[in-house]
Amino acid sequence: GDSVTQMEGPVTLSEEAFLTINCTYTATGYPSLFWYVQYPGEGLQLLLKATKADDKGSNKGFEATYRKETTSFHLEKGSVQVSDSAVYFCALSKNTGNQFYFGTGTSLTVIP
Amino acid sequence: ETGVTQSPTHLIKTRGQQVTLRCSSQSGHNTVSWYQQALGQGPQFIFQYYREEENGRGNFPPRFSGLQFPNYSSELNVNALELDDSALYLCASTKPGTGVSNEQFFGPGTRLTVL
Repeated sequence: GDSVTQMEGPVTLSEEAFLTINCTYTATGYPSLFWYVQYPGEGLQLLLKATKADDKGSNKGFEATYRKETTSFHLEKGSVQVSDSAVYFCALSKNTGNQFYFGTGTSLTVIP
Repeated sequence: ETGVTQSPTHLIKTRGQQVTLRCSSQSGHNTVSWYQQALGQGPQFIFQYYREEENGRGNFPPRFSGLQFPNYSSELNVNALELDDSALYLCASTKPGTGVSNEQFFGPGTRLTVL
């Protein structure tokens, strides 16, 4: 079945460090891919998305490229800030658009 | 624009009881999805409602049921509660016409504890 696998956390980085959170997916057809972020005590917020192969989603300095050949959608940021501390979820949506499959989440803590 | 709201924020029930959780979708959004997020896990899709009809269901037993009302608000009902039902329940709404790349807007969730 369709699924998303993302790297286990927690991840702890110093401010201004480079971030990569790996995400791979299994799906038939051509899913859309998403990264959601969950700040402490808040609901999930869309961070970025990509709807077809080779698309790059970007927002707030975060980027992810839809790689069909490696079935991956890794999240990257060149210089993290303390305010980036949150749980990050990779997700996919199939062409019916009525169900999202989420990964287990990766907790990121950025220390000053 | 008002976002997705959920009530109550927290709830404590005992095993065997029934619970109703409520969700008001974002203005103009006609599709509502419900998710269960166990501690340390990603959200798991329960079901989706579109125009007051169920429009897809995940791997959850029939004791999880729902409703959508003409104003697009929604309820999640869980009967015969079990300890494993303890989780954060998330509601998400989607605006019409956005297709496969639809963004789901999430509410803050209801934390259900079953004792």
